[in-house]
Amino acid sequence: SQTIHQWPATLVQPVGSPLSLECTVEGTSNPNLYWYRQAAGRGLQLLFYSVGIGQISSEVPQNLSASRPQDRQFILSSKKLLLSDSGFYLCAWSVPPTMNTEAFFGQGTRLTVV
Amino acid sequence: QKEVEQDPGPLSVPEGAIVSLNCTYSNSAFQYFMWYRQYSRKGPELLMYTYSSGNKEDGRFTAQVDKSSKYISLFIRDSQPSDSATYLCAMSARSGNTPLVFGKGTRLSVIA
Repeated sequence: SQTIHQWPATLVQPVGSPLSLECTVEGTSNPNLYWYRQAAGRGLQLLFYSVGIGQISSEVPQNLSASRPQDRQFILSSKKLLLSDSGFYLCAWSVPPTMNTEAFFGQGTRLTVV
Repeated sequence: QKEVEQDPGPLSVPEGAIVSLNCTYSNSAFQYFMWYRQYSRKGPELLMYTYSSGNKEDGRFTAQVDKSSKYISLFIRDSQPSDSATYLCAMSARSGNTPLVFGKGTRLSVIA
């Protein structure tokens, strides 16, 4: 069966520090991968998605970047965190090739920038 | 107009009540409809998945799609305190070239 791992679960970082959140999927090949941010009252905001290694699509301009160095690994990064980057970050995957099927989520990382 | 509208609640009901959660949408190309349940500080988990119009039942949960009205519903019968969570609707078009579009979620509390 397929599983998705996301870590860390919680993170407190000072403003201006770098960020690296990692997500890995097991039990499937070439998944579609997604990074979402969830803020109170704003729902799920899609940040990035990837349909293959090295293929990243960005949905909103921001202080963050994403990379997919391996088939089942998706990384969310920032060089310098802002206070506004605080939120609940969720990684998700779906069965390729299309993106209109159900997505399966990790347990999330709660990031607080102080 | 947002693509998907969902009343954020909060919605508070007594245990045993029938709960109705709803979403409206504007894109007539949407064909696939999903409901997710998200407990506090956890990732969303898929609850129901339906294609096109009609009803789908799974235990105490019924998902209903009315494409003519661009309206979907999730009904929870005999609600339990363990149903207390945020419920998000999601949908996508047949083409499959773009990711799911989510509603903002409705926070539900079932009071014992």
